[in-house]
Amino acid sequence: EPEVTQTPSHQVTQMGQEVILRCVPISNHLYFYWYRQILGQKVEFLVSFYNNEISEKSEIFDDQFSVERPDGSNFTLKIRSTKLEDSAMYFCASGGLSTQETQYFGPGTRLLVL
Amino acid sequence: AQKVTQAQTEISVVEKEDVTLDCVYETRDTTYYLFWYKQPPSGELVFLIRRNSFDEQNEISGRYSWNFQKSTSSFNFTITASQVVDSAVYFCALLPDNFNKFYFGSGTKLNVKP
Repeated sequence: EPEVTQTPSHQVTQMGQEVILRCVPISNHLYFYWYRQILGQKVEFLVSFYNNEISEKSEIFDDQFSVERPDGSNFTLKIRSTKLEDSAMYFCASGGLSTQETQYFGPGTRLLVL
Repeated sequence: AQKVTQAQTEISVVEKEDVTLDCVYETRDTTYYLFWYKQPPSGELVFLIRRNSFDEQNEISGRYSWNFQKSTSSFNFTITASQVVDSAVYFCALLPDNFNKFYFGSGTKLNVKP
């Protein structure tokens, strides 16, 4: 069964460093998403991406964040200068042919900023 | 406003008991989709069910059943004869038709004791 994959599963970084979180969505999906879950809290939407551009982003997704689909398979989230409060689980999700389709989540990347 | 409320923060039951997890949602969209996800201790989000707003039929899948009532804006989830492996955090989520993102509830942590 097709699934969304994410690498790395865990990342530890120093405050101020750049991190890139990688995702491989399900191959025939057209809509891609990043969500964040701070430990013990709810899952929060960060950004959606369609047709090689951002279609929507939340107030959390400030200038420190960027997304890219560099090669038609990977979908990346970059945090330019990490802060302590960026420590969270980051989930990538992909959806099929329309925005109303189910979004399937990857296993997450647990980011710890020290 | 789009909002999902899971009022039960944590529930503990003994194995083989039935348990119901509550979910109440708010949306102004006439078309929307409701989901339940399971998050085991390993952290991934596992898709359980999707319901369309125009389909109020209840659904049963093995020990799981879902009760969707538009009149009370609720989408409750019942586990019959709970098992230890059901221990997880369960999230209810709303996908409004006019918004390309999920709104998650804060989750209910279910502890099933042997």
